Amino acid sequence: EPEVTQTPSHQVTQMGQEVILRCVPISNHLYFYWYRQILGQKVEFLVSFYNNEISEKSEIFDDQFSVERPDGSNFTLKIRSTKLEDSAMYFCASSGLAGLQETQYFGPGTRLLVL
Amino acid sequence: DQQVKQNSPSLSVQEGRISILNCDYTNSMFDYFLWYKKYPAEGPTFLISISSIKDKNEDGRFTVFLNKSAKHLSLHIVPSQPGDSAVYFCAASGGAASGTYKYIFGTGTRLKVLA
Repeated sequence: EPEVTQTPSHQVTQMGQEVILRCVPISNHLYFYWYRQILGQKVEFLVSFYNNEISEKSEIFDDQFSVERPDGSNFTLKIRSTKLEDSAMYFCASSGLAGLQETQYFGPGTRLLVL
Repeated sequence: DQQVKQNSPSLSVQEGRISILNCDYTNSMFDYFLWYKKYPAEGPTFLISISSIKDKNEDGRFTVFLNKSAKHLSLHIVPSQPGDSAVYFCAASGGAASGTYKYIFGTGTRLKVLA
């Protein structure tokens, strides 16, 4: 069964450093998403991406964040200068056609710890 | 942001009995609802969904009920099995009518099925 994969599973970084989280969405999907879950809190939407551009973003997704689809398979989330409060589980998700209420399928997540 | 609420943080059920997990929402523009199951250190796994044009959807042991007038949905698991022990999240989406496909998640209910 096709699945979303994410690397790395864990990332520890120093405050102020750049991190890149990687995702391989399900191969025939067209919409891509990043969510995060701070420990003990809700899963929160960060950004959605379609046709090589951001289609929607939350207020969390400020100038320190960026997304890219550098090739036909990968989808990345970059945090330019990490802050302590960026420590969270980051989940990538993908869906077929959002207009048809397609279900989003989630990857296993990357646990980011900013020290 | 309390648009989707799960008021029961935990639930314990005997194996073989019915588990009922509840979710309330406030935004009448939501038109697609989902339930996800999550194990520790894993991503949310899709269980079942329902469109706002329906009031019930069934898939094996899992049934989701939607009461639009009450802005309430519930997930029934019958019969409950020890492997169902996990955190269950409800999620809602505005869909095409509102121009947003991001999911808004509840805080989760931890289900424990006792053998």
